[in-house]
Amino acid sequence: EVQLVESGGGLVRPGGSLRLSCVASGFTFSSYSVNWVRQAPGKGLEWVSFISSDGHSIYYADSVKGRFTISRDQGKSSLYLEMNSLRVEDTAVYYCARDWGSAPSSLDYWGQGTLVTVSA
Amino acid sequence: DIQMTQSPSTLSASVGDRVIITCRARQTINSWLAWYQQKPGKAPKLLIYKASNLENGVPSRFSGSGSGTEFTLTISSLQPEDFATYYCQQYSGYSSSFGGGTKVEIK
Repeated sequence: EVQLVESGGGLVRPGGSLRLSCVASGFTFSSYSVNWVRQAPGKGLEWVSFISSDGHSIYYADSVKGRFTISRDQGKSSLYLEMNSLRVEDTAVYYCARDWGSAPSSLDYWGQGTLVTVSA
Repeated sequence: DIQMTQSPSTLSASVGDRVIITCRARQTINSWLAWYQQKPGKAPKLLIYKASNLENGVPSRFSGSGSGTEFTLTISSLQPEDFATYYCQQYSGYSSSFGGGTKVEIK
């Protein structure tokens, strides 16, 4: 069974940092690209970032470019999102989601999400 | 980023109704469009990919059509478990974006 489990969310002050993790199981992690997608409370979905299966292709939404860094550890079947210079508007549930393509594409499996709250 | 506009934002319907949700892209995305269903407190679920391809395990009452800039998701006969919010997603190029969502409510 394919599973994606996020962790690392919490309360952080504006300007602070946080590192999210997503552990994958039930499939060959190194064969798939992965994305981060977020959802602010009561709002719609926003694509955040993509990393290819081999880690060589990385893309970001303009809203997080220069502040967030996506990475992966094939040996640990894990995806990460390093978030710096956090803003109140970064408050959201962050999902990791599996992707089949070499660039962002449709997302066939999602984790349950981890909540990040940025507040003073 | 390519802006995606969904309509309507809210839709009231009854069990058995045919429901159509529209998604428009500001520029052509060929057929690089997916549809998702999301229920409260849950992660989104992929329904349709590449505009018209039904994801494995998704009931055949769901269908997608369109190409270029205009797309539709059709539910042929609404079931009680279909009351949810639906999102389109474009994935043309090196970024992606979602529509604002369509909430399907019980009439």
